[in-house]
Parts: sequence; C-alpha cells; structure tokens
Amino acid sequence: DIQMTQSPSSLSASVGDRVTITCRASQSISSRLNWYQQRPGKAPKLLIYGASSLHGGVPSRFSGSGSGADFTLTISSLQPEDFATYYCQQNYGTPLTFGQGTRLEIK
Amino acid sequence: EVQLLESGGGLVQPGGSLRLSCVASGFTFRTYAMGWVRQAPGKGLEWVSEVSPDGGSTYDADSVKGRFTISRDNSKNTLFLQMNSLRAEDTAVYFCAKDSSTWPDFFDYWGQGTLVAVSS
Repeated sequence: DIQMTQSPSSLSASVGDRVTITCRASQSISSRLNWYQQRPGKAPKLLIYGASSLHGGVPSRFSGSGSGADFTLTISSLQPEDFATYYCQQNYGTPLTFGQGTRLEIK
Repeated sequence: EVQLLESGGGLVQPGGSLRLSCVASGFTFRTYAMGWVRQAPGKGLEWVSEVSPDGGSTYDADSVKGRFTISRDNSKNTLFLQMNSLRAEDTAVYFCAKDSSTWPDFFDYWGQGTLVAVSS
C-alpha cells in the first residue's frame, strides 16, 4: 500500500496568513494527488485534484503543487472559514489512501 | 445539485450485521463509480470499498475484505454496503462518496455520513 504522510499534523495561524501543508507519498505517484477540507462535524470536500487543479467553486486562494512523491497545498490568505482539517489522498492505485490529516487552528 | 443521503447506521453488537444505503441525486448515477469512506471517532479518513458503474467490479480495503460487500441498484440510484461480522474497530462515521471517474480515483462529492457503533 502507498503510505501518505502529511506535515505538520497541526498548525496555528492567523487570518490573512499564508499557509503551506505538505504531503509525501511512500513512492512516486506522478500527479495522482488530491486534497480535501473537512470542517468539524461535516463531510470532507474536494479542493484540488490532479495535484494542482482546483475543483469547481473552490476559492482561488487555494493552490496545489508537486509531482512524484512530494506535494504541497497552499492557502494564500487565510479566511475564518478555512480553519479546518486538510487531507491528502493518492489515486495512483488501490487501496486509495489518505494522509493522517493536518489540523489548521486559529492562533 | 449533487446530493448523497446515507441511512442505515446504528448500534450493533460485535459479530452482528448492518446494511447501509445511500440514495443519490443530481447526476447520472449509473455512469460513475461510487464508494464508501469511513472515519473512526477523532481519527482520519479510511477508504473502505468502491464499485464500478455497472456493479461488475468491486474494490475493498484489506480491513473489510470478506466481511463487507458493496453493491448498487442503478434503477434506484442507490448504493449499499452490507457489513457482516462487525468488530469494535469498525465503529465510525461512514460516508458515501461519488467518484469522479469509472474506477477508484478521487471523490468529488460526499454525503453527510451515517454513524455505525459496534459495542456490546
């Protein structure tokens, strides 16, 4: 199975800050990497697919980059609604696997 | 608007069975793979099972293989998860999710989830 490791596991930041979350795969997965946002008590929402393509309706302050085994999710200017947990997920092969999550908290 | 509505969760004893359902609307159900993803209390996301558009191919996590069976009824836009031989570690919120493709890929829409609690 492909292991996905996110860092950091948690992060404190302020409204307006620029934030970067990283995700590393245990092997090369090309650009088969996706990012989800999950607010407390809610279902996950797709943010980015194919490492860098923004899902419909997702604000442009979210961006993704990377290929191979190393990927990043960047939020250019944090808004109050962005405080949530973020997960990466690989779709290079089954089983589909997720990172352990990065909890983004208000400083 | 894509909507996914799960039902069938509840409290069950270890070794028991439960059947989850997910009714879909707002898209052409029969043309997409569909899956289940679970989240244990306070934990991360775990992919469970997925089924191809015609129901002919299924994919399962090792943790549920031989115990859970995913299926679909395209005439009723409904996805199912039959869960047998349930264990305490199966306790989780189970999300129904629409795949973006016809094979395991990524999930572009999710239901709100249904809670399964396995306890004596």
